Amino acid sequence: EPEVTQTPSHQVTQMGQEVILRCVPISNHLYFYWYRQILGQKVEFLVSFYNNEISEKSEIFDDQFSVERPDGSNFTLKIRSTKLEDSAMYFCASSEWLYSNQPQHFGDGTRLSIL
Amino acid sequence: GENVEQHPSTLSVQEGDSAVIKCTYSDSASNYFPWYKQELGKRPQLIIDIRSNVGEKKDQRIAVTLNKTAKHFSLHITETQPEDSAVYFCAATGSARQLTFGSGTQLTVLP
Repeated sequence: EPEVTQTPSHQVTQMGQEVILRCVPISNHLYFYWYRQILGQKVEFLVSFYNNEISEKSEIFDDQFSVERPDGSNFTLKIRSTKLEDSAMYFCASSEWLYSNQPQHFGDGTRLSIL
Repeated sequence: GENVEQHPSTLSVQEGDSAVIKCTYSDSASNYFPWYKQELGKRPQLIIDIRSNVGEKKDQRIAVTLNKTAKHFSLHITETQPEDSAVYFCAATGSARQLTFGSGTQLTVLP
């Protein structure tokens, strides 16, 4: 069964540094998402992306965050100047169709630790 | 925006018993309600979903019910097994597509 893949599985970064989290969505999927989960808490929506542009974003997704689809397969989340509170598990997800809600399939996540 | 409340936060059942987890949502425009199972340190895994044009859906030992009027939906697991132990999240979404998750239920199935 096709899966969403994410790299790296764990990223440790000094506060103030830039990080890029990478995702390869399922190949025939059209919608891509980033969510985050702070340890022990619920999953929170960050941003959705369709047709090479942001579709929706949450209040969490401020100017420090950006997303990009640099080629036909990768989907990246960049945090420009990391803060301690950015420490969380970041999940990428993708879904198939445009015109109705379809299941979102999650990757294994990247655990981001800010020191 | 959408707000999803989930209860209980923890649930312990004996192996073989049933487990029920309940969620309410606030946005009447929401029309898709998935349930995810998350084992420790792993990805949320979709286990069942329901759309607003359906009142109930079943898949082997798992069922989900939806009451649009009351804006609540429930997950039912029958004949629970130790491997059902995990955190279960409900979620809701509508035209905005983003999933709004509940706070999660830690289900423990005692052997």
